Amino acid sequence: AQSVTQLDSQVPVFEEAPVELRCNYSSSVSVYLFWYVQYPNQGLQLLLKYLSGSTLVKGINGFEAEFNKSQTSFHLRKPSVHISDTAEYFCAVSDQKVTFGTGTKLQVIP
Amino acid sequence: DSGVTQTPKHLITATGQRVTLRCSPRSGDLSVYWYQQSLDQGLQFLIQYYNGEERAKGNILERFSAQQFPDLHSELNLSSLELGDSALYFCASSASTSIDTQYFGPGTRLTVL
Repeated sequence: AQSVTQLDSQVPVFEEAPVELRCNYSSSVSVYLFWYVQYPNQGLQLLLKYLSGSTLVKGINGFEAEFNKSQTSFHLRKPSVHISDTAEYFCAVSDQKVTFGTGTKLQVIP
Repeated sequence: DSGVTQTPKHLITATGQRVTLRCSPRSGDLSVYWYQQSLDQGLQFLIQYYNGEERAKGNILERFSAQQFPDLHSELNLSSLELGDSALYFCASSASTSIDTQYFGPGTRLTVL
């Protein structure tokens, strides 16, 4: 069975500071990993995904994530956050179905 | 705009009732997914259909059922509603498999009184 753990339920960070949102996964089969973002009162939107190849994945809005097989992690990073990045971020793993983590609320402080 | 539409946006009903939520996928997408999002349970995958056939099942209650029609739109039926069914229900679509990008609709907010 696959699972995703997002240890941080909330992450406050000052504007223009770097941020890392943590995601650990477990899966018994091939690993496909995703990060989605949910802005207030909206549906989820894909930020980036890892299917194979380079372990460093670049996504939209300046976000990137690194797949680390030995640590079973797929942490999301951004070097400098903006107020508009305030949202909830979901890590997900997929084999035949997608399992989402519990989400991390990123609060960017002006 | 993701291209996925869901109706209605809001639904208020009473316990014991039955409701139907509707989803139209993006043009060309064959897979439709249903999710339930609540404060206590987070985002839960319910069920996936691919080209009219059930493809994967998640934490869907027996009181809930879904189908995908020949025109690829999908409906989620919720019956014998309980207070705990109050949640945001999202539909998403993708080209085919679950590793394709999923495009989410705006959701239907269900309130059971």
